[in-house]
This record gives sequence, C-alpha cells and structure tokens, in this order.
Amino acid sequence: GAVVSQHPSWVICKSGTSVKIECRSLDFQATTMFWYRQFPKQSLMLMATSNEGSKATYEQGVEKDKFLINHASLTLSTLTVTSAHPEDSSFYICSVPDAGVGTDTQYFGPGTRLTVL
Amino acid sequence: AQSVTQPDIHITVSEGASLELRCNYSYGATPYLFWYVQSPGQGLQLLLKYFSGDTLVQGIKGFEAEFKRSQSSFNLRKPSVHWSDAAEYFCAVGARSGGSNYKLTFGKGTLLTVNP
Repeated sequence: GAVVSQHPSWVICKSGTSVKIECRSLDFQATTMFWYRQFPKQSLMLMATSNEGSKATYEQGVEKDKFLINHASLTLSTLTVTSAHPEDSSFYICSVPDAGVGTDTQYFGPGTRLTVL
Repeated sequence: AQSVTQPDIHITVSEGASLELRCNYSYGATPYLFWYVQSPGQGLQLLLKYFSGDTLVQGIKGFEAEFKRSQSSFNLRKPSVHWSDAAEYFCAVGARSGGSNYKLTFGKGTLLTVNP
C-alpha cells in the first residue's frame, strides 16, 4: 500500500506552546487529507478535512483556531496545535485517500503522540 | 449520523483457533464498510472493505468479513489465528463527503490477544 509519513512521531511540549505536525504522502499526490485524533483506549475521531488550495473543513466541535491546518502542497498537510494544553494530549493521525479509479482506499500515517505538560 | 459499535473491547484466543470480531453499524444509506488493523508504532492498515456486490468479502492476511444488512453487521473472521495477528482491530463506516472522498466513522476497537 501507499506510504504516508508523519513527523514527529512523538513530541512533548509545555503548556501554552504551539506544536506543528506534518503529514506527507510519499507515493501519490492528494488534494485531500484527513486528520484524526485518538485518545487512549478510544476510537479515532475525525477532526478535519485538509484541502489543497482552500480552507480546511472542520468537524463539529473542533476549534478551528486551535487546530490550524495548512495543505501546503499536494503531498504535505500540517496540523498546528496552538497554545496547547494538557487536554490536547492525544494521538494525532492523518490519512490520505487514494482517489484513483477503483481504489477508494485511505492510507494512514503512523501517528504523532503529543504530550502537553 | 452514522455510528459503529464494536461490542467486544478485548478478545483473547489461542493460536490456531478461529476468530470472529463483531461490528454493528448504523447508517441511513448503503454503507461503505471497512476493517482496519492497528499495530503499535504503525499506521492503520486496511484489511478489507465492502462497497457493494458479494456480501462475503475477502481481505489480506486470511481475513474475511460478511455484510448482513438485516442485522446491520459486518463481522470479521479468520479460521486460524496466528500470533502475529495480535493487534487492535477497528471497524469503520464511510459516508460520502463530496467528490470522490468519504469520511470514516470508527468503532472503539477490539484488542486481540493471541495466546501461544
């Protein structure tokens, strides 16, 4: 399957600071990428849809000013957690849909574990 | 809105035994259904998917799943489990979000432990 990378894989930051997480599609270009968060022992929850060349679309209840998404190119999307607080500690995962004919598959990155002290 | 229920949080089986992981969904239209596996340090990997057609779907690693509309279920099965199958398994339902993309709603997952 296609390869999706995330950087960093693990980050610890102090409360009040901002953290940027990168998601890269290494095998194909993607006009859309998805961002999820996963709490321990919980399911993945879709946060937002990242759109290349336009604004991200956020799910209900997700603060767009707190979770800034930039789809800088067809292979890169970034999620910035601004003024992070301990409750933002979570596992953040991106996915890249392969919209090629007959595929309809989303490929997931390995995730980024954020710990806010 | 769609939802997915995985009734079993944790399942333990012996190596070589058969496996069935349960998944029930709620969705107003014809669902797109998926099973993913998540291993520590790795991204979610697609095991199989159902969009239409034959209700028995074959996937990778010897897994299969059966879509039963009357029961709103999409249970995952494997006839003989290997120790390497130990992981977290997620069932998901997809809803079109415009264009060719769809949004996934995941269940809470089932952790599979395999005893030697």
